[in-house]
Amino acid sequence: DAKTTQPTSMDCAEGRAANLPCNHSTISGNEYVYWYRQIHSQGPQYIIHGLKNNETNEMASLIITEDRKSSTLILPHATLRDTAVYYCIVRVANTGNQFYFGTGTSLTVIP
Amino acid sequence: GAVVSQHPSRVICKSGTSVKIECRSLDFQATTMFWYRQFPKKSLMLMATSNEGSKATYEQGVEKDKFLINHASLTLSTLTVTSAHPEDSSFYICSATVAGRFQETQYFGPGTRLLVL
Repeated sequence: DAKTTQPTSMDCAEGRAANLPCNHSTISGNEYVYWYRQIHSQGPQYIIHGLKNNETNEMASLIITEDRKSSTLILPHATLRDTAVYYCIVRVANTGNQFYFGTGTSLTVIP
Repeated sequence: GAVVSQHPSRVICKSGTSVKIECRSLDFQATTMFWYRQFPKKSLMLMATSNEGSKATYEQGVEKDKFLINHASLTLSTLTVTSAHPEDSSFYICSATVAGRFQETQYFGPGTRLLVL
């Protein structure tokens, strides 16, 4: 079962930062926070993941609160191509461990 | 990142026939692959975990005799929908992980859209 809660939908103006929140209040000490996104009719695309430190890559930044009960995915300069459903998932990092998807946040980037 | 492919990308079949979907890891060896299905406007639902050389582990409520999974090599897993019915019409997605460099991450295929008439 999904262990995260996310807002159902969000809008963001093109060129502005998109901040997508995720609550994972029951996260365990060895569980990572993963973010994926799914553009319509495609497979999910990996964005970023982290354990407790903030992470940044070429796509986004991940901010994890000190108590690890919530996190925020930041797309620094949203473009129309960032319109997608964004999924936040918590999981123990192991090849055999499953991902259970919640309902995600549908992000619409507005011109 | 790692690349996962699926074939076919879409398939239409008659009710009662069987359909095989292939999932391949193109630039890495996948010790574990996963199969998901997704209905319109819904989230991904995990169907089964496929380990190379062993039987798949199915999620509760997923019929193993209906959805046959074979993971014969480290780069290929197949899902066969047997005796397909219209309610099996869905978007089927696979993912793969690998020990080592990508061990913490699953990479997903582009999905296969199945329509059963």
